[in-house]
Amino acid sequence: GAVVSQHPSWVICKSGTSVKIECRSLDFQATTMFWYRQFPKQSLMLMATSNEGSKATYEQGVEKDKFLINHASLTLSTLTVTSAHPEDSSFYICSAPSGRQGNTEAFFGQGTRLTVV
Amino acid sequence: AQSVTQLDSHVSVSEGTPVLLRCNYSSSYSPSLFWYVQHPNKGLQLLLKYTSAATLVKGINGFEAEFKKSETSFHLTKPSAHMSDAAEYFCVVTKLSGNTPLVFGKGTRLSVIA
Repeated sequence: GAVVSQHPSWVICKSGTSVKIECRSLDFQATTMFWYRQFPKQSLMLMATSNEGSKATYEQGVEKDKFLINHASLTLSTLTVTSAHPEDSSFYICSAPSGRQGNTEAFFGQGTRLTVV
Repeated sequence: AQSVTQLDSHVSVSEGTPVLLRCNYSSSYSPSLFWYVQHPNKGLQLLLKYTSAATLVKGINGFEAEFKKSETSFHLTKPSAHMSDAAEYFCVVTKLSGNTPLVFGKGTRLSVIA
């Protein structure tokens, strides 16, 4: 199946700093990518939809100035957590739809565990 | 609008006994349905998917699920649990026509007792 690579798999940063997470589709083009956040012992919640060449669409309650999304190419979307705070500590996962006709499967990155200290 | 309800937050079974993880969905569109598994501190792995073909779907590791439109259900089963099946399981719905985000259930934690 298709591969989505997410990097880094884990990161620890100090409060007030920014962290960039990359999501790459390795063997297919992804005009759309989704970013999810998962708090401990909870389900995945959609944060935003990343669209190649245009602005991301954010879900209600997600601060677009804090979670900057850039989708500059058909194989790369980045999520930057700006001025991180301890409450931003979470597991972040990206996914990309397969894009093939009739195939709605989404492929997930490995996830990034962010810890803000 | 779409939503998923996983009826049990935690299921505990003995090794070698059957597994049943329940999922009901609601969708304004023809749905695609999935089950994903997540082991501790790991990403998500697709177990199986339903995309309007056969209603009984076989997945990896001996899991299967049956799409029942009349009951709006997509329960996950396995005849015999293995210790390695202990993990978090998510039932997921999306729009059949694709390129829409996935809507996740809250998850069911499966414990397998030796």
